[in-house]
Amino acid sequence: RKEVEQDPGPFNVPEGATVAFNCTYSNSASQSFFWYRQDCRKEPKLLMSVYSSGNEDGRFTAQLNRASQYISLLIRDSKLSDSATYLCVVRKGTGGFKTIFGAGTRLFVKA
Amino acid sequence: DARVTQTPRDKVTEMGQEVTMRCQPILGHNTVFWYRQTMMQGLELLAYFRNRAPLDDSGMPKDRFSAEMPDATLATLKIQPSEPRDSAVYFCASGLTRDSSYNEQFFGPGTRLTVL
Repeated sequence: RKEVEQDPGPFNVPEGATVAFNCTYSNSASQSFFWYRQDCRKEPKLLMSVYSSGNEDGRFTAQLNRASQYISLLIRDSKLSDSATYLCVVRKGTGGFKTIFGAGTRLFVKA
Repeated sequence: DARVTQTPRDKVTEMGQEVTMRCQPILGHNTVFWYRQTMMQGLELLAYFRNRAPLDDSGMPKDRFSAEMPDATLATLKIQPSEPRDSAVYFCASGLTRDSSYNEQFFGPGTRLTVL
């Protein structure tokens, strides 16, 4: 079993749709959680951090459920420019900065 | 606009040759990560350094890979000898970490390696 698991998709949605991605992690001692975005043939870039209380940035909402060990990302009012791969990222344990990336979920937003 | 730079951007080589990839982290960042990305495995952490000291290289095949930070402005990843299964995109990322706090990693554009 992988330490960080994501549905690879692809998710094909029309513009304006709401889409949600989930990610599960296996290490209960994981401390920090993030969503990164990666465009085709580009480097990953931070989309948002995920806090225990949940956080929102415009059309994007991230949630963390420590009891169930999953993280979610909700995108409202999808735009064509949201088409990308979304990577779930978990920092393991204490005292170090080792980060584990999920394999990513591909999103295609169509006109 | 500070960025992580990586060279070369593309490298095609023959099996058995030595490959050296270079990374210049963002000035002031104290943590550097090396990742490998393939379609099959996704992004895998190979090694990382904090304040130039290697903290973890457990993700790296020890027999052929080596990672170093000769100084704060340069990180290198070497493969010797290279094999076709090493073909991948290699990303370097840097960040600023203090104590147990953790901040964003900034990725370089990657080196696309093809080993024939």
